[in-house]
Amino acid sequence: DIQMTQSPSSLSASVGDRVTVTCRASQSIRNYLNWYQQKPGKAPKVLIYAASSLQSGVPSRFSGSGSETDFTLTISSLQPEDFAIYYCQQSYSIPWTFGQGTKVDIK
Amino acid sequence: EVQLVESGGGLVKPGGSLRLSCAASGLTFSHAWMNWVRQPPGKGLEWVGRIKSKTDGGSTDYAAPVRGRFTISRDDSKNTLYLQMNRLKSEDTAVYYCSTVEAELGYCNSTSCFHYYYMDVWGKGTTVTVSS
Repeated sequence: DIQMTQSPSSLSASVGDRVTVTCRASQSIRNYLNWYQQKPGKAPKVLIYAASSLQSGVPSRFSGSGSETDFTLTISSLQPEDFAIYYCQQSYSIPWTFGQGTKVDIK
Repeated sequence: EVQLVESGGGLVKPGGSLRLSCAASGLTFSHAWMNWVRQPPGKGLEWVGRIKSKTDGGSTDYAAPVRGRFTISRDDSKNTLYLQMNRLKSEDTAVYYCSTVEAELGYCNSTSCFHYYYMDVWGKGTTVTVSS
C-alpha cells in the first residue's frame, strides 16, 4: 500500500497568513493526488484534484502543486472559514489512502 | 443538486452485522462510481472501498482491514448504495460516509486512457458503534 505522510500534523496561523501543508507519498504517484478540507462535525470537501486542479467553487486562494512523491497545498491568505483539518489522498493505486491530516487552527 | 443520505448506523455487538444504505438523488446514479470512507472517533479518514458503475463492469475494491467482511453493492433501480458489514470488530467503530467518485480524463496513450479519480459529493455520515 502507498503511505501518505503529511507535515506538519498541526499548525497555528493568523488570518491573512500564507499557509503551506506538505504531503509525501511512499512511492511515485505521478500527480494522482487530491486535497480535502474537513470542518468539525462535517463531511470532507474536495479542494484540489490531480495535484493542482482547483475544484469548481473553491476559492482561488487555495492552490496545489507537486508531482511524483512530494506535494503542497497552499492557502495564500488564510481566512476565518479556512480553520479546519486538511487531508491529502492518493488515487494512483488501490487501496486509495489518505494522509493523517493537518489541523490548521487560530494563533 | 446531488445529495447523498446515509442511514442504518447504530450500536452492534462484536461479531454482529449491520447494513448501511446511501440514498442518492440529483444524479444519474447508474452511471456513478460510489465509495465508502470511514472516520473513527477523533481520528483521520480511512478509505473502505468503492464500486464501479455497471456499465464499467460493476466491480468492487476494498481496503485490507475490511476485505472478506464487508460487501459493497448497489441497486440502481432504487438509486441506493449499500455497505453490508459482517463479523464486526471494535475497530470498525466510526462515522461512515458515502461519496461519489468523480473521474477527470488525464491522458491517453496508444492503448488506454487514464483518469484522475476523486471523492466529490459526500453524505453527512452515519455512526456505527461496535461494543458489547
